[in-house]
Amino acid sequence: NAGVTQTPKFRVLKTGQSMTLLCAQDMNHEYMYWYRQDPGMGLRLIHYSVGEGTTAKGEVPDGYNVSRLKKQNFLLGLESAAPSQTSVYFCASSFQGTTEAFFGQGTRLTVV
Amino acid sequence: GQQVMQIPQYQHVQEGEDFTTYCNSSTTLSNIQWYKQRPGGHPVFLIQLVKSGEVKKQKRLTFQFGEAKKNSSLHITATQTTDVGTYFCAGKPSNTGKLIFGQGTTLQVKP
Repeated sequence: NAGVTQTPKFRVLKTGQSMTLLCAQDMNHEYMYWYRQDPGMGLRLIHYSVGEGTTAKGEVPDGYNVSRLKKQNFLLGLESAAPSQTSVYFCASSFQGTTEAFFGQGTRLTVV
Repeated sequence: GQQVMQIPQYQHVQEGEDFTTYCNSSTTLSNIQWYKQRPGGHPVFLIQLVKSGEVKKQKRLTFQFGEAKKNSSLHITATQTTDVGTYFCAGKPSNTGKLIFGQGTTLQVKP
């Protein structure tokens, strides 16, 4: 099993450009999460989903949108990228909200 | 909002010394999880605690969950260079689907 796969792994964007980060899991997990990791800030929850067709805001949702049209995929969109969105983005999934989360390898995004 | 605070942010120890990181939540948690992230890697699950006052051990690692289910700790006995990395606690506040992470404690071990 591949587990949790994130694409792309690296990306450089210009300010104002848009992009979508894809997270795919093959473990039939219900819960999926998007986090951003910045030095000294830990992992901050952007958006999460408790099942197909549902999404909810996390701690830092501004500037991001998400969709969960299929159970195995969780997309994170940046409509108009800003330098403050330069970060490492991690996707994670879990079978239920009370079970361990499995993380993808991360996407390093730089906005110039 | 709901917060999970973790201290210290950094810890440098000599190999063989003990290490402890502490985690505190502003709200009651359904459970607390601990993860380890090696430099350049992604967080990897270590353990989950669910019951009030629970204590679990994994070899040299001891995990505790507070009686009020608002705080937790990870203690490593006799650190080794393989323990290097960042340790995160993560909690699920009651009645939400969120999994909130602490800021992490980065452990450096001098051989």
